[in-house]
Amino acid sequence: NAGVTQTPKFQVLKTGQSMTLQCAQDMNHEYMSWYRQDPGMGLRLIHYSVGAGITDQGEVPNGYNVSRSTTEDFPLRLLSAAPSQTSVYFCASSPGTSGSAWTDTQYFGPGTRLTVL
Amino acid sequence: KNEVEQSPQNLTAQEGEFITINCSYSVGISALHWLQQHPGGGIVSLFMLSSGKKKHGRLIATINIQEKHSSLHITASHPRDSAVYICAVRSGSQGNLIFGKGTKLSVKP
Repeated sequence: NAGVTQTPKFQVLKTGQSMTLQCAQDMNHEYMSWYRQDPGMGLRLIHYSVGAGITDQGEVPNGYNVSRSTTEDFPLRLLSAAPSQTSVYFCASSPGTSGSAWTDTQYFGPGTRLTVL
Repeated sequence: KNEVEQSPQNLTAQEGEFITINCSYSVGISALHWLQQHPGGGIVSLFMLSSGKKKHGRLIATINIQEKHSSLHITASHPRDSAVYICAVRSGSQGNLIFGKGTKLSVKP
């Protein structure tokens, strides 16, 4: 299994541009989530999904959209990039065997380092 | 005040030393995770626990629900243990994971 994969690894955008960060998992996990990691702060949840067709907002959702059309894929869209969105983005998945996204082992992707100029 | 506090923020140890990293939280929880973030950035789940103690190799995680405290111990530390160790809790009231800021561990040969 490849586990959780993310593309691209690095990206530089100009303010106002849009882009999609890709996330895929091949473990048939129900739950997927997107986090951002900023210096001096803990990981913060952006959006999450408890299954195909179901998404919900996390702690810092503004400026981001998500969709979950398949179990495998959970793309994160930046609508109009801003310098405040410069961060490292992690996608994670969990199997859902415990009935909750948050009481299962979390599997993380390798991260995408995004810089917005 | 952050809901999840880790101490110390930075820790330097000599190879072979016994290491303890602490995590205190201020909310009622249903689960606590310990994660390891490698120098290259990748994050790996070490433990998920809701009570008692878990052991995997040289790593031991304990939790005291009454005191709202968890510890991660590393026995016979090795330079390859150098990483950031992150504590995260799931609030008992259907909340998402809340993450600590991490403890950066450096083990010198």
